[in-house]
Amino acid sequence: EVQLVESGGGLVQPGGSLRLSCVASGFTFNSDWMSWVRQAPGKRLEWVANIKPDGRETAYLDSVRGRFTISRDNAKKSLYLQMNSLRVEDTAVYYCASIGVDYGDYFDNWGQGVLVTVSS
Amino acid sequence: DIQMTQSPSTLSASVGDRVTITCRASQSISSWLAWYQQKPGKAPKLLIYKASNLESGAPSRFSGSGSGTEFTLTISSLQPDDFATFYCQQYNSHPNTFGQGTKLEI
Repeated sequence: EVQLVESGGGLVQPGGSLRLSCVASGFTFNSDWMSWVRQAPGKRLEWVANIKPDGRETAYLDSVRGRFTISRDNAKKSLYLQMNSLRVEDTAVYYCASIGVDYGDYFDNWGQGVLVTVSS
Repeated sequence: DIQMTQSPSTLSASVGDRVTITCRASQSISSWLAWYQQKPGKAPKLLIYKASNLESGAPSRFSGSGSGTEFTLTISSLQPDDFATFYCQQYNSHPNTFGQGTKLEI
């Protein structure tokens, strides 16, 4: 059974930092592209970042580029999101997701999500 | 960015009904469209990818169709477990984007 378990969320002040983690099991983690997707309260889903299986290629939503960094440790079957210079508008539930095996960036497995609240 | 618009935003239906949700893209996305189901407080679950391909494990009462700019998700006979919010997602071009959701209510 595929499992993705996120951790690291919480309350942080504007301008602060947080690091999210996601531990994977039940699939070949080092073969899959991985993503972070977020959902602000009552809003639609929003893709945040992708990372290639070997970690050498990444992509970001424009509004987080330069502030967020996606990374992975395949030996630990773990995905990370380092979030710096956080803004109130970054408040959301953040999901770790694997990208589907067919062509294209759709998401076939999701974690349960972790809440990040940016507020003073 | 490609804008995705779903209709209706809310849909009331009964167990056993056939329902259809529409998703429109602001420009052609070929067949690069996925559908997800999300229940309150839970992660989304993939139902359909590449517009009409049923994800392994998803019930066969779900089907998708369309190409270009207009797509539909059909549930052939609503079951109690189906009441949730449904989202479409285009992955034709970067950044991939989601619709605003359709809440399916009893």
